[in-house]
Amino acid sequence: NAGVMQNPRHLVRRRGQEARLRCSPMKGHSHVYWYRQLPEEGLKFMVYLQKENIIDESGMPKERFSAEFPKEGPSILRIQQVVRGDSAAYFCASSPTSPSGGVRYGYTFGSGTRLTVV
Amino acid sequence: DAKTTQPTSMDCAEGRAANLPCNHSTISGNEYVYWYRQIHSQGPQYIIHGLKNNETNEMASLIITEDRKSSTLILPHATLRDTAVYYCIGAGYNQGGKLIFGQGTELSVKP
Repeated sequence: NAGVMQNPRHLVRRRGQEARLRCSPMKGHSHVYWYRQLPEEGLKFMVYLQKENIIDESGMPKERFSAEFPKEGPSILRIQQVVRGDSAAYFCASSPTSPSGGVRYGYTFGSGTRLTVV
Repeated sequence: DAKTTQPTSMDCAEGRAANLPCNHSTISGNEYVYWYRQIHSQGPQYIIHGLKNNETNEMASLIITEDRKSSTLILPHATLRDTAVYYCIGAGYNQGGKLIFGQGTELSVKP
């Protein structure tokens, strides 16, 4: 049973380009959470999605960032017109078919995508 | 969300038990206490969680005080590979299950 898969592991973008980060949850999981970890800082919640729905985006920057979790395929975190301050590690976590599954059994995190903006 | 307070750093000798404390005096009745760790910028790894009762699994034990205002994570025989940042988090259904990470405790296991 594969864990949470994130790709790419490392992504380098020039300022102004777009970054697309992908997260495939564990099999049977339909809830995805994205977190960002800036250098030397803690993990910050960004967004919580179910299939085809954004449930909580209270941690998302207001501009340039968007997330989706389509009916088919991975969840995508998209950053438009990247700036140096977007350089960070981005992690996603998944939980079973309801939030209570994650609350009761814990969440599984992926290995992250390290974004470097040059 | 329950606010948690942890020491910034701790040392532990290899082979000894590591006892990591956490204060969560504002935790509500339906919030679980979770412990995760992050080894050198890898993805956070789930360790254990509990509501009221003490819990034990293959990785660790979790001791929760009767008033639920604090807890202790115990790694019974720490190894060098347990060196990591350990996060204590209070979370429940009210937050949609999202985890709010603090600064955690940086545990250094020394030979």
